[in-house]
Amino acid sequence: GAVVSQHPSWVICKSGTSVKIECRSLDFQATTMFWYRQFPKQSLMLMATSNEGSKATYEQGVEKDKFLINHASLTLSTLTVTSAHPEDSSFYICSARGTSVREQFFGPGTRLTVL
Amino acid sequence: AQSVSQHNHHVILSEAASLELGCNYSYGGTVNLFWYVQYPGQHLQLLLKYFSGDPLVKGIKGFEAEFIKSKFSFNLRKPSVQWSDTAEYFCAVNKDSSASKIIFGSGTRLSIRP
Repeated sequence: GAVVSQHPSWVICKSGTSVKIECRSLDFQATTMFWYRQFPKQSLMLMATSNEGSKATYEQGVEKDKFLINHASLTLSTLTVTSAHPEDSSFYICSARGTSVREQFFGPGTRLTVL
Repeated sequence: AQSVSQHNHHVILSEAASLELGCNYSYGGTVNLFWYVQYPGQHLQLLLKYFSGDPLVKGIKGFEAEFIKSKFSFNLRKPSVQWSDTAEYFCAVNKDSSASKIIFGSGTRLSIRP
């Protein structure tokens, strides 16, 4: 089956620093990748959609200058949380879609804690 | 825009009880439907999915769901729950188009009393 990995699985950083999270599709080419955010005891909220080689499309209310997304290849997308603050602490989950538009495959998530 | 509603926020059952979790979506076109489970402290896992065909879909761990187009519903069922089914359950939907993106419901927390 299609496998998506994320790195790191967890990260702790100081307030004001930037953190980069990687999302990789391991056995398929991902034309589109998605980034979600999940606060404790809440659902997954879509942050942005990225297509390989083009700019990401952000959902309403998501600051594109704070959450930088790069989808430079068909197997890798990165999310950089810039100038992180404690309120950015959350579980960040990526998903990837290949040639079929019907299904997305989810990564295991990255837990970010900002001190 | 598409949306997904899960009206049961927290369901508490005893072991061996039957389960039905509600899910309704709002989109008139062709949709793909999913149920995901998230066990405490773990990542998301796909329970089952519906794309087309037989509206009764069987998934893993004894779960099934029925797509009722006229009611815009995709309820999750299990005839006899176990303590290990304690988890958060998310219904999700995407449009069957190239611009599709999976949107999640708010989730239902299922607690099973041993």
